[in-house]
This record gives sequence, C-alpha cells and structure tokens, in this order.
Amino acid sequence: AQTVTQSQPEMSVQEAETVTLSCTYDTSENNYYLFWYKQPPSRQMILVIRQEAYKQQNATENRFSVNFQKAAKSFSLKISDSQLGDTAMYFCAFMKEAGGGADGLTFGKGTHLIIQP
Amino acid sequence: DAGITQSPRHKVTETGTPVTLRCHQTENHRYMYWYRQDPGHGLRLIHYSYGVKDTDKGEVSDGYSVSRSKTEDFLLTLESATSSQTSVYFCAISEYWNSPLHFGNGTRLTVT
Repeated sequence: AQTVTQSQPEMSVQEAETVTLSCTYDTSENNYYLFWYKQPPSRQMILVIRQEAYKQQNATENRFSVNFQKAAKSFSLKISDSQLGDTAMYFCAFMKEAGGGADGLTFGKGTHLIIQP
Repeated sequence: DAGITQSPRHKVTETGTPVTLRCHQTENHRYMYWYRQDPGHGLRLIHYSYGVKDTDKGEVSDGYSVSRSKTEDFLLTLESATSSQTSVYFCAISEYWNSPLHFGNGTRLTVT
C-alpha cells in the first residue's frame, strides 16, 4: 500500500513571498503519478499540478511548480509570488499505475497554507 | 469545470437510519469515486467504479455500499448510519484510469 506524508500541518507566509510545501511518499511502484490539489474555504477540490514519475522534468503551472525527486520519493510544491487567494488546504496525492481497474488517489493529510496581507 | 453534481449538499440524520448520497456527472467519464474527508485524515477512498455495474472497495469501505446502474450516476449508501460516518463526502470522476480526478462540491453528512 502507498502512503503519502505531509509533514507541515500549517504554514503562514506574507503575500508575495515564495513558499514550499513538502510531500514524501512511500511506494514500491516504479511508474505512478503525483498530484497537488488545493481546497479553499469553499470546500471545492481544485487540481493544481500533475507529475508523471517517468518524466524527469518538473511540472510547472504558472506560479506553481514542483520539485520531484524520485529516488528520495519527494514531491514538493513551490508557490511563487503568493497571493491571498492561495490561502487553502493543500493536499499531495499519489496514483499508482493500474493494471485492471483504477483505484484513484491516495492523499496526504494536508497542509493548511495561510497567506498574510 | 467538470459537470459533477452531488446531492444533497447537507444532510442530518439519526443513528440507524439508511442514507443514500447521489453523484451525477454529465461528462460521460468511465471512472467514479467516493471519498470521505475527516479532520486529520485527508481524503480516504470508500468505493470506486470503473464502469456500469463494476465497482470495488477502497480503504474505508466498511458500512458503505455503492451502485452504478448508469454511466452518469454513482450512489453511496449507508445501510445503517453511525456517528462515525459523520463526515464530508466527495464524489470524483476521471476519464481514464490515469487522468486527474475532478471533484464534486461535497456532501456534509451529520449523524446524530
């Protein structure tokens, strides 16, 4: 079974700063996918970024980028020029390469990110 | 945004009563999932479906059953609700097995 660990329950930074959220995972799989989801106070789950394990290049989406270290089983999220709207819970999630059906995502417990004005 | 509707949005029920939560999608996606979210636990998979009438158990399936008789609908049933099932329930869909999941807005269920 896979496990996903987010070691920072809560973080707080000033607006416009850069912040990095940590995520480590444990798996015996070689091929898999990693995701970051954002959950603002509205409760909606929003996909932030996706990384395929077979790709060495780190994924980026505008102000969001990841540092994927496969050997270390680490998948951190960097938010540049943080904005008040980035205040949310952030969840790291793992998806294994499925053989038959698909059993979805395994989530970490989340990091509550607060952007201070 | 993916067309996913969960109903009801909120529900309060008593211990021992049956409860059914509905997830309806308009995307014609093959895969559908039910998760529950609890403080300190993140989201945990209850059941998932990989096609009409094809379902399987997730990490926390005890006390829950599901049905999928049509592509667009995935029902989650608590046969006899317990206080430990008080939670926020999310439905999610994905087009392919390795596609990102898109989530509904959640159902807050309180069992008193």
